[in-house]
Amino acid sequence: AQSVAQPEDQVNVAEGNPLTVKCTYSVSGNPYLFWYVQYPNRGLQFLLKYITGDNLVKGSYGFEAEFNKSQTSFHLKKPSALVSDSALYFCAVRGLSMDSSYKLIFGSGTRLLVRP
Amino acid sequence: KAGVTQTPRYLIKTRGQQVTLSCSPISGHRSVSWYQQTPGQGLQFLFEYFSETQRNKGNFPGRFSGRQFSNSRSEMNVSTLELGDSALYLCASSPWGGDNEKLFFGSGTQLSVL
Repeated sequence: AQSVAQPEDQVNVAEGNPLTVKCTYSVSGNPYLFWYVQYPNRGLQFLLKYITGDNLVKGSYGFEAEFNKSQTSFHLKKPSALVSDSALYFCAVRGLSMDSSYKLIFGSGTRLLVRP
Repeated sequence: KAGVTQTPRYLIKTRGQQVTLSCSPISGHRSVSWYQQTPGQGLQFLFEYFSETQRNKGNFPGRFSGRQFSNSRSEMNVSTLELGDSALYLCASSPWGGDNEKLFFGSGTQLSVL
């Protein structure tokens, strides 16, 4: 079965500290992985993607994600959190629809709260 | 370049009614996808249109339908509304709709069914 899991509903971190938002996936074949962020009353914004190549992917706003094939994980990280990073974060993986075409499968989302 | 525009921003309907939501993609983007976002189910894929053809479909009942026009604008229709259809409906566009492309999302239409 194809799926994405974000095990934490919420992550709390102090400003200036490193942050990690966890994501694990289950798909057959090579995974195409994505991170999106949603600010209040807004649509989702693309942060980064992994298709192939270097396991450490750098994205927007200083975020990066590490692909780990053996652990089927794609955790989102940032070395120093900002209060403005507080938002809802979604991990996504390419999966197959019933008609065998591709679609994005999103995780349930993790709310990041960065306190001053 | 203007972003993805969704109208209306908010909508209140009653059970049994039907509703049409509109999405204008970024200029030059030919693929438009629709997603339903709810607190309990998260983000669920509805369908994708490319060059006026439905290319991809999620696991939603036939009450949910859509179409795309020659200018790539898309509409989504929900007939015989149910309480459970209350959600934020998001539209996303991309140039080709490839499975490795990033999606550009609109701010969504918040639908409340009473």
